[in-house]
Amino acid sequence: DSGVTQTPKHLITATGQRVTLRCSPRSGDLSVYWYQQSLDQGLQFLIQYYNGEERAKGNILERFSAQQFPDLHSELNLSSLELGDSALYFCASSPWTSGAYNEQFFGPGTRLTVL
Amino acid sequence: DQQVKQNSPSLSVQEGRISILNCDYTNSMFDYFLWYKKYPAEGPTFLISISSIKDKNEDGRFTVFLNKSAKHLSLHIVPSQPGDSAVYFCAASAQDQGAQKLVFGQGTRLTINP
Repeated sequence: DSGVTQTPKHLITATGQRVTLRCSPRSGDLSVYWYQQSLDQGLQFLIQYYNGEERAKGNILERFSAQQFPDLHSELNLSSLELGDSALYFCASSPWTSGAYNEQFFGPGTRLTVL
Repeated sequence: DQQVKQNSPSLSVQEGRISILNCDYTNSMFDYFLWYKKYPAEGPTFLISISSIKDKNEDGRFTVFLNKSAKHLSLHIVPSQPGDSAVYFCAASAQDQGAQKLVFGQGTRLTINP
């Protein structure tokens, strides 16, 4: 158990809909990262938040957005869903100190299926 | 542009033998390299890492080798055990405008046969 929790575990929805994925980081970790893993692909970095502020963006679509709340939990919002958005979405957290490498701890993921 | 590549989607090894997983990268700005292990229905878990200033790091049965001139790293598992059967992801870290980014390879599915 990494200490990172994600809800829900599974989500099935239809094209055009909007969903919200939730992540609670490890106690004390200020940084949250979101990744997408499509079928037979590696993990693609989407976005990073540090202590409530966006710090880095990866290959995140404009239809997707995220935020980190004062209690440090994070939500990833996916809208106007398409079939190709079906994937595993992972959240990771780290203490993240500027200029130093920090190991990232991953949650169990949310499997999103768009029908 | 795939900056981190794992060219072998799968690998099958006899129990007790050595497993060697390979990874190539293109970006010379990466400063840390990591291996993550993933079981089905779980998130990736950190296994071992190496700084770009080193060429070898060992932790028990796991050793990571880094060849910077070839932009290649490998993970050696000796001896391989059935519990090592999992998908292994190679990842590389770079600092970008004060933020740390991890770039992952596609993964290699390792199967250890009894």
